[in-house]
Amino acid sequence: SAVISQKPSRDICQRGTSLTIQCQVDSQVTMMFWYRQQPGQSLTLIATANQGSEATYESGFVIDKFPISRPNLTFSTLTVSNMSPEDSSIYLCSVDRDPGNTIYFGEGSWLTVV
Amino acid sequence: AQTVTQSQPEMSVQEAETVTLSCTYDTSESDYYLFWYKQPPSRQMILVIRQEAYKQQNATENRFSVNFQKAAKSFSLKISDSQLGDAAMYFCALHNTNAGKSTFGDGTTLTVKP
Repeated sequence: SAVISQKPSRDICQRGTSLTIQCQVDSQVTMMFWYRQQPGQSLTLIATANQGSEATYESGFVIDKFPISRPNLTFSTLTVSNMSPEDSSIYLCSVDRDPGNTIYFGEGSWLTVV
Repeated sequence: AQTVTQSQPEMSVQEAETVTLSCTYDTSESDYYLFWYKQPPSRQMILVIRQEAYKQQNATENRFSVNFQKAAKSFSLKISDSQLGDAAMYFCALHNTNAGKSTFGDGTTLTVKP
């Protein structure tokens, strides 16, 4: 398994501001993934973060809105920029580990934009 | 593209009874893994069970087992002796090994009645 810590666990944010979510893993991993889960919906992959290179964004997500950093093999951040109420979601950090590329998740960061 | 379909938005089961959650998927890949995750109200995504596509034997984890039908692209989850703590949203997921990406179904909300 994997121990993945996310901060903050929950926050209420003002419209137009930005918030950075931190994700710390208990051991080195090649890829880290950021997901968004809007209320009552499934998980949608935002981007994949590899250490030493720019993150790869999925369709519908752009770097200006969701800048990601990956300074080392155990840490990543996701910033949600210029927030609007539509950004109110749970943001989940995850990694894949053997056996079988199993995806493990952090506790999630529950953001509410008012 | 790969897809995961959970056709049951909601299911309920009596405590101590057995329930089966359905999942079908589509992928052109031959190397992939399938997972069931549980998401209780705390929003933490918890791995329930995993299945390697190359294995014919169905995976089991205590009260949880799967019925993996590769030709039919079906991957159902059976929960035996249901407990109140099993109440949660359950997500079926497909992990594409080559692309390193996971796709999630829309989820099934399971209610356990005492």
